[in-house]
Amino acid sequence: DTGVSQDPRHKITKRGQNVTFRCDPISEHNRLYWYRQTLGQGPEFLTYFQNEAQLEKSRLLSDRFSAERPKGSFSTLEIQRTEQGDSAMYLCASSDSLRSGNTIYFGEGSWLTVV
Amino acid sequence: AQTVTQSQPEMSVQEAETVTLSCTYDTSESDYYLFWYKQPPSRQMILVIRQEAYKQQNATENRFSVNFQKAAKSFSLKISDSQLGDAAMYFCAVPGGGADGLTFGKGTHLIIQP
Repeated sequence: DTGVSQDPRHKITKRGQNVTFRCDPISEHNRLYWYRQTLGQGPEFLTYFQNEAQLEKSRLLSDRFSAERPKGSFSTLEIQRTEQGDSAMYLCASSDSLRSGNTIYFGEGSWLTVV
Repeated sequence: AQTVTQSQPEMSVQEAETVTLSCTYDTSESDYYLFWYKQPPSRQMILVIRQEAYKQQNATENRFSVNFQKAAKSFSLKISDSQLGDAAMYFCAVPGGGADGLTFGKGTHLIIQP
C-alpha cells in the first residue's frame, strides 16, 4: 500500500494556460475523489469516480475543468484557460466502497499558483 | 445540504495537557460515519479517528477520543497528553459531496505550547 500519490506537487502557471494534475490512488480502491482547498478553508468536493465512471460533479467544477479516470486506475484533472481564482491546492483521495465506512485517504495535494 | 461547523478557529494547549476540539453538523443521512482528519504543515490530510453514528460507544484511538452526541449532532475530539507533533489543522468531516464523499468544516488550528 503506497498511498495516494499526486503529481506535480507544485505548479506555477500563467493565467490563460492549461494545467493537468495526475493522481494515482491506493491500488484496488474503486472510488477516487478530487477536492479543492484554499488557505484557511477545509477541502471542498469537486468530483468523484466509481471505477472509470464519473458519477458526480460539484457546482464548483466549471466547464474549464475536466477530470478523467480512463481505466479505473489513475485520474487526471485538467484546468483550461486558468484564472487567478483557480489558485488552490487540489487534493486527490481514494476509498474502497466495499469496506464499511468508506474511509477516504488523501494524497499530499498539488499546489497551483496562477500568476 | 450537509453543513459542518467548527467554532474554534484556533486552540492552544500546553504540552501533556488535554484539549477538546468541537464540531457540530447537520446531515440528512440516517446511517453514517463521522471523521476527524489532521493536516500538519506538510499538508497531507491524515485520518485521526472515525465514529459510526449508530454506535453508542465513543471511538477511541490511543490518545484520541470522541464525544459523540447524536441527538445534538455534536462530534468533539479530545486529545489527551498533547504532544508537539499534534500541532496541525484539524478538520471534522461528515458524509456529503458525492456518494460517501465528505463535507468538511473550516478547521481548527491547534497549537501546542512546549
